[in-house]
This record gives sequence, C-alpha cells and structure tokens, in this order.
Amino acid sequence: EAGVAQSPRYKIIEKRQSVAFWCNPISGHATLYWYQQILGQGPKLLIQFQNNGVVDDSQLPKDRFSAERLKGVDSTLKIQPAKLEDSAVYLCASSWISQGKSYEQYFGPGTRLTVT
Amino acid sequence: QQPVQSPQAVILREGEDAVINCSSSKALYSVHWYRQKHGEAPVFLMILLKGGEQKGHEKISASFNEKKQQSSLYLTASQLSYSGTYFCGTHANSNSGYALNFGKGTSLLVTP
Repeated sequence: EAGVAQSPRYKIIEKRQSVAFWCNPISGHATLYWYQQILGQGPKLLIQFQNNGVVDDSQLPKDRFSAERLKGVDSTLKIQPAKLEDSAVYLCASSWISQGKSYEQYFGPGTRLTVT
Repeated sequence: QQPVQSPQAVILREGEDAVINCSSSKALYSVHWYRQKHGEAPVFLMILLKGGEQKGHEKISASFNEKKQQSSLYLTASQLSYSGTYFCGTHANSNSGYALNFGKGTSLLVTP
C-alpha cells in the first residue's frame, strides 16, 4: 500500500515570498490533515478536511495560509506571504473516519520549509 | 489543550524498560502514540479508545485511564531501534473532527 506522498521535501524562500505544498493521501482515506511541526515540538493541526470539506481550520492563520482539497483527494497548502516564524516541517496525514471512531493517522515525509 | 508528557527525555541501556506518560486536563475520547525518528515522519504505534478498545503493534503496550485522562506507553526490553521522540496525541470528546492535540514529545535514547 502506497503511503502519504508530499512534495517538495525541502524548500527555502525569502520572507514575503509565497510557497505551496502538495499532498496525496493514502487511497481511500477520506480525512486529510495538515500539521505544522516546529523544531522540538509536537505537530500542531492547521486544517482538517473530510472529503473535500473543511472540518476544522481554527488554528490556520487565514491571513496568510490557505488550503484546498479539490475532488476530495489531493490537497495543497499555500503560504502567502511567508514570515520567518513559518519555518517548520509541514506534515500531511490521512486516516479513515467511520461511525464516530477515531483511527490511526498515517503521516507523509513532510516538507521542511526554511524562511530567510 | 495540549497534553503534557513526562519525562521530557530518558536514556536507557539496551534491554531496560521505560514508561512514558501523557496526561490531559480534558476528558478524552482517544489517545494515540507515535514515534518519530530524526528527520522522518511520525509512525503510528498505538491507539487507545474510550471503552477499552486498543489497536497497535504487538510489541508495544499502553494503558488508558479514562477517569484520570492519562495514558502510559510501556517500552520493555528496549532495543536500539526504539530510540526516537515519542508523541502522544489526544482527541477530546468533540464534534469538530478527529484531529489530534500532540504533546511536546519524550526523547528516548537507547544505548548499547
């Protein structure tokens, strides 16, 4: 079974530039998550999709971050304009959700973003 | 609310045991445990659901005290491959989805 795919793996940009990350979840997983992981900390949820609808984006800085999941499969996370504090690893994860049960999440390799 | 993990770090010799704890101030529906090696994605270890259901790897054991909103991960007869950072992720009773709140992690180093 193919895992969660993410690209690019690394990205270096200057502040105020824009950047986009792509994620392809495990086939059949209806739920997709974007997490931000700052060095030395646990992943922090940015946004959760179920199919192509947003379930939770309460921690997404909407003035600069946006995300979409067209057709309920692939997803793109964008930052515009980037700030120095956005330097982090951006992790995409996917999981099954069914009948009120929480299932394990499978993480992609992440995109390491450095903002200079 | 972010769960609190303890200890922050632990160093073991191969073959020794360790316990990693995770506690929350909110009532929990489930607790997930992940291990992350440096530069890699978190890898699923165990999920514990309210009501006693568990799912995870055979060599990993964990407990979930629903009344105290606490979970513990038990690593027995540790191997070098157990080294990494262990995160607990909690899901409180909520209708807002199933995203996890992760703790800050426990760094585990197993030495020969």
